Amino acid sequence: EIVLTQSPGTLSLSPGERVTLSCRASQRVRSRYLAWYQQKTGQAPRLLIYDASTRATGTPDRFSGSGSGTDFTLTISRLEPEDFAVYYCQQYGSSPENTFGQGTKLEIK
Amino acid sequence: EVQLVESGGGLVQPGRSLRLSCAASGFTFDDYAMHWVRQAPGKGLEWVSGISWNSNTIVYGDSVKGRCTISRDNAKNSLYLQMNSLRAEDTALYYCAKALTLAALDSWGQGTLVTVSS
Repeated sequence: EIVLTQSPGTLSLSPGERVTLSCRASQRVRSRYLAWYQQKTGQAPRLLIYDASTRATGTPDRFSGSGSGTDFTLTISRLEPEDFAVYYCQQYGSSPENTFGQGTKLEIK
Repeated sequence: EVQLVESGGGLVQPGRSLRLSCAASGFTFDDYAMHWVRQAPGKGLEWVSGISWNSNTIVYGDSVKGRCTISRDNAKNSLYLQMNSLRAEDTALYYCAKALTLAALDSWGQGTLVTVSS
């Protein structure tokens, strides 16, 4: 089973700042099959990025994903107030089996 | 508009069974793989199980393997999760999710809460 480790666990930032979240896999993720989700309190997760760098429908272009192999990142170029949430990465290279990272909480400073 | 509506959760004693359902609408259900993902209170996401569009491929996470059965009825646009021998650690909000590609999950329901307690 591929284990995903996200870092940092919590980030405190201000609107307007740029942020990069990290997701590291214990083994190579096949074909860059990695996704990023955003979850706000009391809501279901929302798909932001899939296949490491493809924005899902409706994802603002301030969100970008990159990486391959075992190291992946999600970058938000300029934080908006609505971006403060928990972010999860997920690998599906061993699809249909898949695993999630433990999450990174982005909070307002 | 894609809609996924879970039901069947509730309070159940350890060792008992529960069947979760997910009613899908707004898309061609039998074109897509479907998955169950759960989230324990205050915790992260845990993938539970997935099923291909034609039910030919079914997989389970290690934590539920041997105790859960996923199924679907394409004629009824419905997904199911039969959960047996429930444990306290199965307590979670269970989400039904549609796969966009492989297992990137682009639509989610609001979840149904399962609480396992005596």
